[in-house]
Amino acid sequence: AQSVAQPEDQVNVAEGNPLTVKCTYSVSGNPYLFWYVQYPNRGLQFLLKYITGDNLVKGSYGFEAEFNKSQTSFHLKKPSALVSDSALYFCAVRPHSSNTGKLIFGQGTTLQVKP
Amino acid sequence: DVKVTQSSRYLVKRTGEKVFLECVQDMDHENMFWYRQDPGLGLRLIYFSYDVKMKEKGDIPEGYSVSREKKERFSLILESASTNQTSMYLCAIRRDISNGYTFGSGTRLTVV
Repeated sequence: AQSVAQPEDQVNVAEGNPLTVKCTYSVSGNPYLFWYVQYPNRGLQFLLKYITGDNLVKGSYGFEAEFNKSQTSFHLKKPSALVSDSALYFCAVRPHSSNTGKLIFGQGTTLQVKP
Repeated sequence: DVKVTQSSRYLVKRTGEKVFLECVQDMDHENMFWYRQDPGLGLRLIYFSYDVKMKEKGDIPEGYSVSREKKERFSLILESASTNQTSMYLCAIRRDISNGYTFGSGTRLTVV
């Protein structure tokens, strides 16, 4: 079965430190990969995507993510965390074979950045 | 940029009521989706639609139905609300083949 895993329910980092939010996937073929962020009581906002090309992709608010095909991972990173980055983060995968654009989401990781 | 509007931010309904959740987009995108979000479970697809009057079941369609009479509007219907349908409901559209979704702000439904 196709799936996305975010192994950490919560990640805690100090402001100014680098952060990583992990994501691995199990999807056949070459998927499209996405990260979304959700602030309290709001919908999800697009952060970045990997379609093809350079394995390191840059997105909104200084976030970046690295696609690793051999490890089937797409970890989200930021060199220096801000308190305002505290939110719920979702990794999502769209199988390349999907013609309806259905996304498969991970269970989400809460990022807590402390001052 | 496309805007996805969900008509209610918060709803409280009684068990057994028929509940309508509305989602409207301001452009002409074909693919629209309804998800529910629950802590620890992420987002789970309820139904989606790829055109007017076209619909397909997602992963958890039981207890729900949908309606798409016009391209811009996609409605989620809870035929007889139950307490286990208390959740955050998110509507989304897919903008194009290489892009992800644009989401509405969500409707937090409580069934008492």
